[in-house]
Amino acid sequence: GQQVMQIPQYQHVQEGEDFTTYCNSSTTLSNIQWYKQRPGGHPVFLIQLVKSGEVKKQKRLTFQFGEAKKNSSLHITATQTTDVGTYFCAGSRAAGNKLTFGGGTRVLVKP
Amino acid sequence: NAGVTQTPKFQVLKTGQSMTLQCAQDMNHEYMSWYRQDPGMGLRLIHYSVGAGITDQGEVPNGYNVSRSTTEDFPLRLLSAAPSQTSVYFCASSYFRVRGDTEAFFGQGTRLTVV
Repeated sequence: GQQVMQIPQYQHVQEGEDFTTYCNSSTTLSNIQWYKQRPGGHPVFLIQLVKSGEVKKQKRLTFQFGEAKKNSSLHITATQTTDVGTYFCAGSRAAGNKLTFGGGTRVLVKP
Repeated sequence: NAGVTQTPKFQVLKTGQSMTLQCAQDMNHEYMSWYRQDPGMGLRLIHYSVGAGITDQGEVPNGYNVSRSTTEDFPLRLLSAAPSQTSVYFCASSYFRVRGDTEAFFGQGTRLTVV
């Protein structure tokens, strides 16, 4: 079946630094979504990417979808303590809603 | 709007007991799904539904049943609880679209412990 892998599993970041988390699918995706889950909370939608090579920005967050639609990345600049949480990518093989989640990248910020 | 509401928030079961986790949404979403979240394993799809009367299995369906009699409700039943079912369960809903955003809205989660 479809597998979605995320690296790294943990990311310790000094406040103010940048970091990137990567997402790789074993199959070509129709679209990819990113979610953020704060400690003790539930996943919250961040963004959806649909087109090959698509790049979207949300303030300090930059999301990319690979040309082959099998990988994606999330880059955060000038990390803040509010960025603490686990970031998940979730891929869909077909148009519609069935999502396969990656294992997540847990981000810890050192002030 | 309340969004996606899950009850209960916490539950302790004994091995062999059965119970139903409730999920309700008030956004008129066609698509609803149940996930379980275990440490380091992300979210794994248990069952999903694309509309009332239609359900299908996800990645880890064994030991769970679902039904979808209305658009709003999607309960998850544990038939005979086992310690391996100790987990955090999330219900999610979204519009069912061929194109466009299919943002999933998640409930607050149910933390289940089976002893």
